[in-house]
Amino acid sequence: QVQLVQSGAEVKKPGASVKVSCKASGYTFTGYYIHWVRQAPGQGLEWMGWINPNSGDTKYAQKFQGRVTMTRDTSISTVYMELSRLRSDDTAVYYCARVDYDSSGYYMGFGYWGQGTLVTVSS
Amino acid sequence: DIVMTQSPDSLAVSLGERATINCKSSQSVLSSSNNKNFLAWYQQKPGQPPKLLIYWASTRESGVPDRFSGSGSGTDFTLTISSLQAEDVAVYYCQHYYSTPVAFGQGTKVAIK
Repeated sequence: QVQLVQSGAEVKKPGASVKVSCKASGYTFTGYYIHWVRQAPGQGLEWMGWINPNSGDTKYAQKFQGRVTMTRDTSISTVYMELSRLRSDDTAVYYCARVDYDSSGYYMGFGYWGQGTLVTVSS
Repeated sequence: DIVMTQSPDSLAVSLGERATINCKSSQSVLSSSNNKNFLAWYQQKPGQPPKLLIYWASTRESGVPDRFSGSGSGTDFTLTISSLQAEDVAVYYCQHYYSTPVAFGQGTKVAIK
């Protein structure tokens, strides 16, 4: 079965960086884009960007341009999201999510999600 | 960028009654290439990741109870829970995936009256 397993909770100081991993299993890793979505405490869902695990191509939300880097390691079916120059308002649960496609290649939404990784930014 | 706006922000419905959530996109999310609306609905319970309920505005994900239904086209969409059950208490989000950046609505919290 498809699984996305994320790394554990992190506590960081302002100005530091954090790198969250998302290990995929149960499907062909290079066949599906992975997106990252975050959720601040008590708030809604905020899209951060995607990575194509096959090519390594990425697309980031304008808000995070210059601070976020998404990478992948195909040898271990894992994608990473690194966020730098952390601020207190980056405190959130970070999710990876896999898209689903129909037989013609059209998106069907985010069918699978990781369990989430809480990143706390505090001095 | 396409902005998604949900209404209401919260609602309380009696068990067995109908719950209706609206979602409006700032631009059409109807694809001319496959004539489908690139609009999804998610359910999120406390401490859990979102769960995909509906995609293409009206297609239920496998395993989702048929009391959940989606409708609408273009810019106006609705999620209906025909007979609210206790386990449906959650926050519901609409999302467009028509273009990048994808975006979510602000969420609608559903509670039992």
